[in-house]
Amino acid sequence: GAVVSQHPSRVICKSGTSVKIECRSLDFQATTMFWYRQFPKQSLMLMATSNEGSKATYEQGVEKDKFLINHASLTLSTLTVTSAHPEDSSFYICSARDSRREGYNEQFFGPGTRLTVL
Amino acid sequence: GESVGLHLPTLSVQEGDNSIINCAYSNSASDYFIWYKQESGKGPQFIIDIRSNMDKRQGQRVTVLLNKTVKHLSLQIAATQPGDSAVYFCAEPSGNTPLVFGKGTRLSVIA
Repeated sequence: GAVVSQHPSRVICKSGTSVKIECRSLDFQATTMFWYRQFPKQSLMLMATSNEGSKATYEQGVEKDKFLINHASLTLSTLTVTSAHPEDSSFYICSARDSRREGYNEQFFGPGTRLTVL
Repeated sequence: GESVGLHLPTLSVQEGDNSIINCAYSNSASDYFIWYKQESGKGPQFIIDIRSNMDKRQGQRVTVLLNKTVKHLSLQIAATQPGDSAVYFCAEPSGNTPLVFGKGTRLSVIA
């Protein structure tokens, strides 16, 4: 149980285009999902917290108008990188908490999406 | 603010030897810790967790030790295998706040 999927796993796009990444909790409900970004040989950096039915909370330095987050259901959050540029090339990882497991704060991570902007 | 950090950025171990990865934490009130493993090109995977009412917890080939006195956590991997090569992170879940990761320790297994 507690599987998180991401789609696509890998995407290459041209500079200036927008890319949408989906994050799904497959066998549990997640009122809260998280989006991380990881550059080569670096740690995961939290970008934003996605709350079902409400606006996402962005970390300092992350542009909310560039990284659009939508958490429309208890099993799906999407991250859209708008007007992508080469510096947005990175490994994007989502994570989710099981809403039913009160007191257990374990986050389950997706397999990641490799974005390459040409 | 409180933070979780890793002592060593890299660790090279001969195949078959035991590996020890260390982690220091600063929040003495923390009561739950998790070790994650991240293989190249993949998301972090849960390895093992421990609550503060325990000093030691064992899994399959892995053992986590918690020393609350010095706020130190370690992950021991027995008979290290090539498949253990990855970056290892310790994490400190706290309430509803999202996990914040330290640098991680890269474990390289030498065949």
